[in-house]
Amino acid sequence: GAGVSQSPRYKVAKRGQDVALRCDPISGHVSLFWYQQALGQGPEFLTYFQNEAQLDKSGLPSDRFFAERPEGSVSTLKIQRTQQEDSAVYLCASSIDRDAEAFFGQGTRLTVV
Amino acid sequence: GIQVEQSPPDLILQEGANSTLRCNFSDSVNNLQWFHQNPWGQLINLFYIPSGTKQNGRLSATTVATERYSLLYISSSQTTDSGVYFCAVGLITGGGNKLTFGTGTQLKVEL
Repeated sequence: GAGVSQSPRYKVAKRGQDVALRCDPISGHVSLFWYQQALGQGPEFLTYFQNEAQLDKSGLPSDRFFAERPEGSVSTLKIQRTQQEDSAVYLCASSIDRDAEAFFGQGTRLTVV
Repeated sequence: GIQVEQSPPDLILQEGANSTLRCNFSDSVNNLQWFHQNPWGQLINLFYIPSGTKQNGRLSATTVATERYSLLYISSSQTTDSGVYFCAVGLITGGGNKLTFGTGTQLKVEL
């Protein structure tokens, strides 16, 4: 596609519910990143994929967070047993290679009630 | 980890005014990007500028990597320039180009 596409744009989850957030990167982009942006803050790194390999998951805040990219294109970020502190905007970015310019999607705004 | 500081944190301009936003970072980096986050939350790429100077219309940017800072210049500001401007520095490791963002500059351009 023309840009990075994320869905859903908005998600309201009850505390304890599992959620899945989808990212469609720019076609042909090898690298894919997930970031979390709290209100009034800059985005913070969660995890990185090169093709289907998850090479860095150092930013995932707990073992309730899980990401996958099984075929090296679409990626899913899953949050199990959501908590209120998980409320944030989740941003996906892709780049053509690991050291190239990154392009971001519009994000998914998650609200846990 | 790398610290990224942006100044000023907030800025109000009259339409037509010029401004300079600054980004300081604490360690050597491989690259640097400037983004504009519009009121709908979209991060729009402005510049990919590891070093040197680039210009795009009313915007230009300069990065002096040896002195660990970058500047974003906005000339003849317009109301559509309003939003948050982020500087993000990239460090390439086995885990790819991990971007560390600053806390941003909130810009409001008034008529």
